[in-house]
Amino acid sequence: GAVVSQHPSRVICKSGTSVKIECRSLDFQATTMFWYRQFPKQSLMLMATSNEGSKATYEQGVEKDKFLINHASLTLSTLTVTSAHPEDSSFYICSARDLETNEQFFGPGTRLTVL
Amino acid sequence: DQQVKQNSPSLSVQEGRISILNCDYTNSMFDYFLWYKKYPAEGPTFLISISSIKDKNEDGRFTVFLNKSAKHLSLHIVPSQPGDSAVYFCAASALAFGNEKLTFGTGTRLTIIP
Repeated sequence: GAVVSQHPSRVICKSGTSVKIECRSLDFQATTMFWYRQFPKQSLMLMATSNEGSKATYEQGVEKDKFLINHASLTLSTLTVTSAHPEDSSFYICSARDLETNEQFFGPGTRLTVL
Repeated sequence: DQQVKQNSPSLSVQEGRISILNCDYTNSMFDYFLWYKKYPAEGPTFLISISSIKDKNEDGRFTVFLNKSAKHLSLHIVPSQPGDSAVYFCAASALAFGNEKLTFGTGTRLTIIP
């Protein structure tokens, strides 16, 4: 099946710093990518929908100035957590929608720990 | 407001027996449902899906049943194998309304006992 990669797989940073997470579709093109967050023992919560070449659409309650999304190409979307705080510590997962099949494929996730 | 609910946080099943995972939803606009399997610190892996025009879809050991009137779906795994131990999420979307966003349930941790 199609492969979606995320980098880094885990990151530890100090409070106040910014962290960038990359999501790549390796063998297909994705006009749409989705960013999710999962807290321990909770569901995956959609944060935003990233569309190539246009602004991301954020879900209610998600601060767009804090979680910057850039979808510069058909294979890459980035999520930047700006001025991270301990409460931002979570598991961030992206998914990419295959342009041809419309299927969504998930990345392996990024564990963010903010000290 | 949890639109997709999995009321059993955990389930233990003997190897070889049937595992039944349940999922309920409240949004009547949902018309496409999916089941994902997730291991710790990994992204979800797609298992099986069903469109609202069907009431059953089968793929190998996995069968999904949809009861639209009850807004309920279930995933049956038979026979259950130790490798099936994972967290299972059901998800829903409203494709007919142009909404491809997935809404996930809270997950059920399935443990297969050898």
